[in-house]
Amino acid sequence: AQSVTQLGSHVSVSEGALVLLRCNYSSSVPPYLFWYVQYPNQGLQLLLKYTTGATLVKGINGFEAEFKKSETSFHLTKPSAHMSDAAEYFCAVSERGYQKVTFGTGTKLQVIP
Amino acid sequence: GAVVSQHPSRVICKSGTSVKIECRSLDFQATTMFWYRQFPKQSLMLMATSNEGSKATYEQGVEKDKFLINHASLTLSTLTVTSAHPEDSSFYICSASGFSGEKLFFGSGTQLSVL
Repeated sequence: AQSVTQLGSHVSVSEGALVLLRCNYSSSVPPYLFWYVQYPNQGLQLLLKYTTGATLVKGINGFEAEFKKSETSFHLTKPSAHMSDAAEYFCAVSERGYQKVTFGTGTKLQVIP
Repeated sequence: GAVVSQHPSRVICKSGTSVKIECRSLDFQATTMFWYRQFPKQSLMLMATSNEGSKATYEQGVEKDKFLINHASLTLSTLTVTSAHPEDSSFYICSASGFSGEKLFFGSGTQLSVL
């Protein structure tokens, strides 16, 4: 079975500050890991994904995440927050490629001017 | 990139009526489609998985007679909420993957409000 835990349902950062959204996963097999962003009343947009290979993954809009197997973590970071980053972010895991994805409960990011 | 179109984006209906939501893959053949439900301030919960030409596989706790899923072609899947009740009010999102199963694309979602 697979599961995802996102620490912190709400995170507030100042514009220009570091963004850190935490995600821990559980998986019985090597996982695929994802971060998605959701703007109000919209679907999900893939930010980045880890499948195999390099553990530091770069995504769109300046986001990146590092897969740490020893810590079962896949935290999302961005060096400098922008107002347009305000949205809800979901971490997700899959044990079968892109099928049967399990989502975390989401973290709402607020960016303060 | 691949596009998944979902309609309608918002629907309001009376209790007891049925609502159909469409999910179309516009530039690829979607062999597998997934339907999710998202309640306010909660995550997406997988409702069912459908493969083209086959019956949908429903997750535990999801009533298959209430949430009818049809995936009759490689570009279209529909979710029909039958005899909708206020507790069915939710955000429904579809996603689709192609033959290789290597990518997953999401629709923009449907906000269903049952009065």
